[in-house]
Amino acid sequence: QKEVEQDPGPLSVPEGAIVSLNCTYSNSAFQYFMWYRQYSRKGPELLMYTYSSGNKEDGRFTAQVDKSSKYISLFIRDSQPSDSATYLCAMSPAAGNKLTFGGGTRVLVKP
Amino acid sequence: DVKVTQSSRYLVKRTGEKVFLECVQDMDHENMFWYRQDPGLGLRLIYFSYDVKMKEKGDIPEGYSVSREKKERFSLILESASTNQTSMYLCASSIQGKREKLFFGSGTQLSVL
Repeated sequence: QKEVEQDPGPLSVPEGAIVSLNCTYSNSAFQYFMWYRQYSRKGPELLMYTYSSGNKEDGRFTAQVDKSSKYISLFIRDSQPSDSATYLCAMSPAAGNKLTFGGGTRVLVKP
Repeated sequence: DVKVTQSSRYLVKRTGEKVFLECVQDMDHENMFWYRQDPGLGLRLIYFSYDVKMKEKGDIPEGYSVSREKKERFSLILESASTNQTSMYLCASSIQGKREKLFFGSGTQLSVL
């Protein structure tokens, strides 16, 4: 079993819909949780960064962490075609430690 | 903006060749990383360097070596390329103590025939 599981998709939604992405993990030591966005033929870029449980909002993006369920989510409101990308979750047990990545979910937002 | 530049976008090599992948960052970051990305497997860490001439093995170092002679440059070396090393290779950098906040290059798609 992988340490971090993520549905590969593709997840296809119409423009304006809410995109819901999630990852599950098995290592209870993970404390830091990240979402990276990767456009086609580009490297990943850091989108959201959260520590421990709770919610974090940044514009149209909301990241949620539920450590009791070992489950993290990313929501994209009012999705745009420019949100079409692969979204990778990543996590680490402490600041400064190496990351463990999920396999990524491909998202397609159709105009 | 941080810029991480990988020297080649696409490379095609033959089995047994020695392959060099070069990466340069322009933000004076202490940490540099080499990952490979394969469908369904996510990003896997090959090697990590936290200072000039310093290196640490990642999760999958077998068949690879690295060199960091200058702070801004981190090279990945495939001593004898094999077909199972066909992959997307991503270089990344980060500041000291912030290994989780990575800045990535655009990647090198390596095909070993």
